[in-house]
Amino acid sequence: NAGVTQTPKFQVLKTGQSMTLQCAQDMNHEYMSWYRQDPGMGLRLIHYSVGAGITDQGEVPNGYNVSRSTTEDFPLRLLSAAPSQTSVYFCASSYAIAGSTNTGELFFGEGSRLTVL
Amino acid sequence: GDSVTQMEGPVTLSEEAFLTINCTYTATGYPSLFWYVQYPGEGLQLLLKATKADDKGSNKGFEATYRKETTSFHLEKGSVQVSDSAVYFCALSDRNQGGKLIFGQGTELSVKP
Repeated sequence: NAGVTQTPKFQVLKTGQSMTLQCAQDMNHEYMSWYRQDPGMGLRLIHYSVGAGITDQGEVPNGYNVSRSTTEDFPLRLLSAAPSQTSVYFCASSYAIAGSTNTGELFFGEGSRLTVL
Repeated sequence: GDSVTQMEGPVTLSEEAFLTINCTYTATGYPSLFWYVQYPGEGLQLLLKATKADDKGSNKGFEATYRKETTSFHLEKGSVQVSDSAVYFCALSDRNQGGKLIFGQGTELSVKP
């Protein structure tokens, strides 16, 4: 059982470049989300989705786009990378959808470390 | 808005010492509370949770009690091991805020033999 899979694990970009962080889960979870982790700031929610075709903004959405065309996949796109986006990114999924029976028990991927020069 | 505050780290303990990591929260509704643990080089994983006041969550020797009167959810372990070295995150999920998980800043624990 793979769980939540993120690719790539490491990436170096130059300012202004674009890229997509991939996230896939094989647990048939409806809820998926992206967080960034920065020293001293914990995890901050970027975007989330409560099901295919539905996405919403989190705490720090600027500079990022998402889409949810299937239940399994939830890619995060950086349109024009900036040094402030240097961070570790985590994708996480959950059995239940927000506002319904969401237990808050998220399953995390191993993270993607992004450096923007 | 909702928020979670943890004690700052790093926390360094000797093996078999008693551990407390403080966590307090602010929420408009009645949140569920969680502790997640992140071992080096890995993603976060759920350690324990409590869904209502006075509930006690426990797992792997760790415990935390949901205290509504003090808005706290402190993590405790009676005797830590080197293998407990990790970063610990307190978090809340509030249905009034769409059930999204809000994390504290994390507390790094280092246990020395």
